[in-house]
Parts: sequence; C-alpha cells; structure tokens
Amino acid sequence: AQSVSQHNHHVILSEAASLELGCNYSYGGTVNLFWYVQYPGQHLQLLLKYFSGDPLVKGIKGFEAEFIKSKFSFNLRKPSVQWSDTAEYFCAVNSVGSGYALNFGKGTSLLVTP
Amino acid sequence: DADVTQTPRNRITKTGKRIMLECSQTKGHDRMYWYRQDPGLGLRLIYYSFDVKDINKGEISDGYSVSRQAQAKFSLSLESAIPNQTALYFCATSWGAGSDTQYFGPGTRLTVL
Repeated sequence: AQSVSQHNHHVILSEAASLELGCNYSYGGTVNLFWYVQYPGQHLQLLLKYFSGDPLVKGIKGFEAEFIKSKFSFNLRKPSVQWSDTAEYFCAVNSVGSGYALNFGKGTSLLVTP
Repeated sequence: DADVTQTPRNRITKTGKRIMLECSQTKGHDRMYWYRQDPGLGLRLIYYSFDVKDINKGEISDGYSVSRQAQAKFSLSLESAIPNQTALYFCATSWGAGSDTQYFGPGTRLTVL
C-alpha cells in the first residue's frame, strides 16, 4: 500500500526566510505527486503537481518542488516566504491502483511571522 | 459560483442520529471522492465513485455509506453517528486521468455529541 510521509509537522519561519518541506512516499510503481495548500478556514487548493517530464515543477505563488525518483521524494520549496503563506501544506500521491484517489501525508502547519 | 459545493457547512448532531452530507459539482467531472480530515492525520479517503454505477470503498469506509444520485451529486451518509466521526469532511472531483487535479469543496464540519 502507498504511504506518504511528511517530515515536519509544524514549521515556524520569519518572513523572507527560505522554505523546504519534506515529502517521501513509498510505492514502487508509477505515481503522480501533488502538493495542496489549505489556508486558514479555506478548502484545499492545488499548489503544483508532477506526473511526467521535468522533475522540477513550478507552481503558484512562487512554490516549486523537485521529484527525485531514487529517493522517493517530492520536496516543496520557496525561496522567500511571506506572511500570507501561513497555511497547512499537504503532500499527496496517487496511482492507478487506487483509482487515482489521493493518498495524503499528515500535513505540515506553516506559520510565517512578520 | 463555486464549482464544488457542500451542504451543510456545519452540523452538530447527537450519537445515533442519521446524517447525510451532500456534494454537488458543476465541473462535469466523472470522478467524485469523499475524504475526512482530522487534526494531525491529514485527509483520509472514505469512498470514491468513477460514475453513477461505480462506487468503491476507501481506506476508512466503515460506518459510512454513499449514494451517487447523478453525475453531479455524491452524498455521504452516517447511518448512526458516533463521536469519533467528528471531523471535517471534504468532497472532491476530478476527470479520469491520474494526473488530473482534484478540486475540493469547502468542507462540512460535523460534530457528533
């Protein structure tokens, strides 16, 4: 069965600091990888996704992620965070075996302080 | 107008009551999903549906049932609610390919007393 592990449960950063959130998955087959964000009181929105091609993918709001197949990782990065990036971030993976339903990590809560 | 809507947005009920959560979408997607979110546990899949005749159990389907009344509507029922079903419930929709984005509704916050 697939599993998704997010290494950091709570992260606190100052504005302008760089961000990297770790995500590892366990699945030997072809997967599609996603990062979703949930701003306070809002529903989940897609930040970015990887399914093929260039392993460095760029998403909305200056976020990017790198798929490293050999490490089963899909880490999220942003060079300089803003207060408005305060949110919960979820890594997710799907595959054909699960009907393409998303298998989520437990999430990382990011607080950006002014 | 929102593409994926959920009703009700908030519900407080008592143990043993039957509850139905509804999801509607205007995106024309075939696939619909129900997830629940618990603090520190992320989102977990309850049920998913490929179309009106194809419904599948997810990771945590016990205690829940679903109905796909039409392509655009997917309802989640708790036949006899219990306190550990207190959670935030999300509906999502997508096209059929694995790389397709899932679009989430605003969620229903359910409290079972």
